[in-house]
Amino acid sequence: NAGVTQTPKFQVLKTGQSMTLQCAQDMNHEYMSWYRQDPGMGLRLIHYSVGAGITDQGEVPNGYNVSRSTTEDFPLRLLSAAPSQTSVYFCASSYSTSPDSPLHFGNGTRLTVT
Amino acid sequence: AQSVTQLDSHVSVSEGTPVLLRCNYSSSYSPSLFWYVQHPNKGLQLLLKYTSAATLVKGINGFEAEFKKSETSFHLTKPSAHMSDAAEYFCVVSVKPVINDMRFGAGTRLTVKP
Repeated sequence: NAGVTQTPKFQVLKTGQSMTLQCAQDMNHEYMSWYRQDPGMGLRLIHYSVGAGITDQGEVPNGYNVSRSTTEDFPLRLLSAAPSQTSVYFCASSYSTSPDSPLHFGNGTRLTVT
Repeated sequence: AQSVTQLDSHVSVSEGTPVLLRCNYSSSYSPSLFWYVQHPNKGLQLLLKYTSAATLVKGINGFEAEFKKSETSFHLTKPSAHMSDAAEYFCVVSVKPVINDMRFGAGTRLTVKP
């Protein structure tokens, strides 16, 4: 049972480069989301999706793009990387959109932008 | 306005002694509350959740938390710390009745000394 799988685990980019962080879940979860984790700040929501074809912005969406063509996959695209996007990124999913539904997290992608 | 405050950024205990990690929240809505644990280079894992049933919630690995509405607190406790409990702990609150508005505390790093 793989759960939530994120790739890559580590990535180094130069300023201005673009890349896609991959996220896949095999639990048939309705809700998927992307967070970034910065020291002393907890996790902040970037984008989320409540089902295939439906996405919306979270707290810190600027510089990021998402799409959800299937239930399983929810990639996060960095359009033009900036040093401020150096962070650890987590994908999370949940079986429903109810606020008492726990989140299932991937193991994270550590991104460094130089 | 801060929605969730973890009162200690770092807690250090000796193995076999009690653990107390403190969390206060603010919400105009009857919240759902969660504690998650993050081991190094891993994603967050659910420890326990409160969703308006019993105010004392039991979780995995011997942890429990008590919801106190009058004090707006949701402190995490464990009677006896193990070395394997060393990790980062996050208090999470749903401040609105929607899953996409969960607020994460800044985290408390727990160190367990032999």
